[in-house]
Amino acid sequence: EVQLVESGGGLVQPGRSLRLSCKGSGFAFGDYGMSWVRQAPGTGLEWIGFIRGKPFSETTDYAASVKGRFTVSRDDSKSVAYLEMNSLKTEDTAVYYCSRHKSSGVFRSLDYWGQGVLVTVSS
Amino acid sequence: DIQMTQSPSSLSASVGDRVTITCRASQTIDSYLNWYQQKPGKAPKLLIFAAYSLEGGVPSKFSGRKSGTDFTLTINNLQPEDFAVYFCQQTYTTPWTFGQGTKVEIK
Repeated sequence: EVQLVESGGGLVQPGRSLRLSCKGSGFAFGDYGMSWVRQAPGTGLEWIGFIRGKPFSETTDYAASVKGRFTVSRDDSKSVAYLEMNSLKTEDTAVYYCSRHKSSGVFRSLDYWGQGVLVTVSS
Repeated sequence: DIQMTQSPSSLSASVGDRVTITCRASQTIDSYLNWYQQKPGKAPKLLIFAAYSLEGGVPSKFSGRKSGTDFTLTINNLQPEDFAVYFCQQTYTTPWTFGQGTKVEIK
């Protein structure tokens, strides 16, 4: 059974850093791209970044709102993806989800999601 | 960035109804369009990928269509478990963007 479990959320002051982890199981983790998606309270979904799988050289891409502040990485030996968040702002307060990329030919979607972790940025 | 505009933002429907949600892309996205269902306090669930394809395990009451840059999600025979928020997402180009969501409520 495919599972994704996030950890590392919590309360953090503006300007500080936090690292989220996403542990995958039940699939060949290294073969899959992984995305991070966030959802601010009572709002919609925002894709913030991804890291491609080993077949695609583990390249990354980010939304403009987090580029230069957030970094997505992975350790395939541990089946974990990370979201390193620096210079946090109050507007980064959200539930953060990791999700697995589904590849159907050239089409991409997010077929498995973690349970989400809440990050609250407040003084 | 590609803007995804969903309509309506909310709708009320009765059990047994058929509902249709529309998502319009601000530019061509071919068929790089996915639909998700989200229930309160839960992660989104993939329903439809590549505009038309039903994700495994998703009942055939859900269907997707495409006409140019307009995409629709139709839910037939609405059941209590279908009341949720539905999001579209384009993966044609980064940044991948979502529609603002459509809340399907019980009438």
